Amino acid sequence: DAKTTQPPSMDCAEGRAANLPCNHSTISGNEYVYWYRQIHSQGPQYIIHGLKNNETNEMASLIITEDRKSSTLILPHATLRDTAVYYCIVRVDGEETSGSRLTFGEGTQLTVNP
Amino acid sequence: KAGVTQTPRYLIKTRGQQVTLSCSPISGHRSVSWYQQTPGQGLQFLFEYFSETQRNKGNFPGRFSGRQFSNSRSEMNVSTLELGDSALYLCASSANRVVQSPLHFGNGTRLTVT
Repeated sequence: DAKTTQPPSMDCAEGRAANLPCNHSTISGNEYVYWYRQIHSQGPQYIIHGLKNNETNEMASLIITEDRKSSTLILPHATLRDTAVYYCIVRVDGEETSGSRLTFGEGTQLTVNP
Repeated sequence: KAGVTQTPRYLIKTRGQQVTLSCSPISGHRSVSWYQQTPGQGLQFLFEYFSETQRNKGNFPGRFSGRQFSNSRSEMNVSTLELGDSALYLCASSANRVVQSPLHFGNGTRLTVT
């Protein structure tokens, strides 16, 4: 699976948009980008995923660059409860190698300040 | 829909003992995977079960084993516990094994080995 690179930490003011970048320059054509977040002492929470088109759901938006080498997770109006570690992951298609084997990196610690 | 349920939430064991952790997936989900999370190693994949068969296995010793029942519920067992087995054990379920099917995590079992 492609390796991802994220900044170790970011700060955001409450009510403002939080834009979390992820670099996945070695991503291949059949790899999906997934985002999870983990609040201390809880399990990772699924946020959103995409292949090449931008995606939006009730939690966030995912913007993937045209060359797919990077992506940005956008939390449109960050709240204090969005303080968490955010993980960007790539998952390769293909039953033999993917399934549920996710590789988590260090992630980005997002702190939302009042 | 109820989320992934893991029991017990906390467990304290002594070196040399064995332990069994339980996971009930989201209703209708057929794939269950297990992860170990420690401060030093981060999230590491243990194994994945689908239709009662182990489909994928991480790099853990044979002391770590698991199984899945016909109702998709899963258990993992760790025998001859070592101090280094102290960790948060996370279970995740997904509807199936395709890459477009997100994994949903439980809040884990915190195992402490003394």
